[in-house]
Amino acid sequence: DIQMTQSPSSLSASVGDRVTITCRASQSISYYLNWYQQKPGKAPKFLIYAASSLQSGVPSRFSGSGSGTDFTLTISSLQPEDFATYYCQQSYSSPEYTFGQGTKLEIK
Amino acid sequence: QLQLQESGPGLVKPSETLSLTCTVSSGSISSKTHYWCWIRQPPGKGLEWIGSIYYSGNTYYNPSLKSRVTISVDTSKNQFSLKLSSVTAADRAVYYCARQRSYQSNAFDIWGQGTMVTVSS
Repeated sequence: DIQMTQSPSSLSASVGDRVTITCRASQSISYYLNWYQQKPGKAPKFLIYAASSLQSGVPSRFSGSGSGTDFTLTISSLQPEDFATYYCQQSYSSPEYTFGQGTKLEIK
Repeated sequence: QLQLQESGPGLVKPSETLSLTCTVSSGSISSKTHYWCWIRQPPGKGLEWIGSIYYSGNTYYNPSLKSRVTISVDTSKNQFSLKLSSVTAADRAVYYCARQRSYQSNAFDIWGQGTMVTVSS
């Protein structure tokens, strides 16, 4: 099965910072990579599909890039509501789907 | 806006079967462009896809859980259900139902609020 590894596992940043989270696949997954945001006690929220396409309604400060095995989620200017845990998810090995372990973004 | 709501017992005894239902509202479960899924999250841990079902009844399961999982759909009630047999403490988790696109990278685009299931005698 395809393993997804995110780095860092946790990250401290300040409002206004630009942050990047990395997701690496254990084998090439082309662009079949999605990103989610989860706040404590809440369900995940869908942010980005196919590595770089922004879901409708998601602020443009969020962006995704990458293909093959290496992907990034970038938040261009952190807002207070962005502090959360972020997960990547591969869909290349459909119908077997796997998530990264998560990256917790905390306020510095 | 389509919504999903999980329901079912919050406490299950070891070795018994966990049963949850997801009700779809403000939309049809008979969509030809979506699957319906279960995903779980143990406390403090990451997300694990359990399985998916199409409105026609075609199912897809996580190989690690396949021997214990059954997902079914009831289009007349706009619901789908999860059964997980022979549960242990390792099955303690928040269980989410979600809608999955059959296009655009098969993303899980709408989620229920989740329901916590504890395994204890």
